[in-house]
Amino acid sequence: GNSVTQMEGPVTLSEEAFLTINCTYTATGYPSLFWYVQYPGEGLQLLLKATKADDKGSNKGFEATYRKETTSFHLEKGSVQVSDSAVYFCALSDRSGGYQKVTFGIGTKLQVIP
Amino acid sequence: GAVVSQHPSRVICKSGTSVKIECRSLDFQATTMFWYRQFPKQSLMLMATSNEGSKATYEQGVEKDKFLINHASLTLSTLTVTSAHPEDSSFYICSARPRGTGVYSNQPQHFGDGTRLSIL
Repeated sequence: GNSVTQMEGPVTLSEEAFLTINCTYTATGYPSLFWYVQYPGEGLQLLLKATKADDKGSNKGFEATYRKETTSFHLEKGSVQVSDSAVYFCALSDRSGGYQKVTFGIGTKLQVIP
Repeated sequence: GAVVSQHPSRVICKSGTSVKIECRSLDFQATTMFWYRQFPKQSLMLMATSNEGSKATYEQGVEKDKFLINHASLTLSTLTVTSAHPEDSSFYICSARPRGTGVYSNQPQHFGDGTRLSIL
């Protein structure tokens, strides 16, 4: 079956530091890849996505590249802010059981300190 | 656009009570909605896929008689936790896919803000 593996965290960084959250996946077909963000007490918001190999998704200074050869989709940001503190979920979706199903990683909590 | 509203955001009730959670798509029609459960410090686990006008499809290990899903219209799906017990306490999140997207579409789902359920 499909699976998504990401670092558990928490990751604690100082403001303006460089962020990398690793994500690797296992899928039988050609999945689409996503990063979702969950702020405290809220639901999930789509941060960025990539639908095919070598695509780069980007949003709000975050970016991730779909690497088929390494089955990875690492999230990066050059300079984090306190407002980026949240839980980040790597996810994939593919056709499974007749519908598009989303498989989530465990989530990585990011804490940015001033 | 593509706003999903979930209600209530938080509920605390006694063991044995049945609790209904609503998931509404506010500015689009959704033929398919999804219900997830999130345990503390764990990821979201898909519970069931809700289809307008038909029975929900439950994931393996999810008790359909325990978690009743009704998708009566193109903008509303409800999850009822029947005779809830403390082990049912969790964060429940719904998501929806716009009508016309297609079951095999790669378009992302739109999530509600979740419901924190606490059973005493």
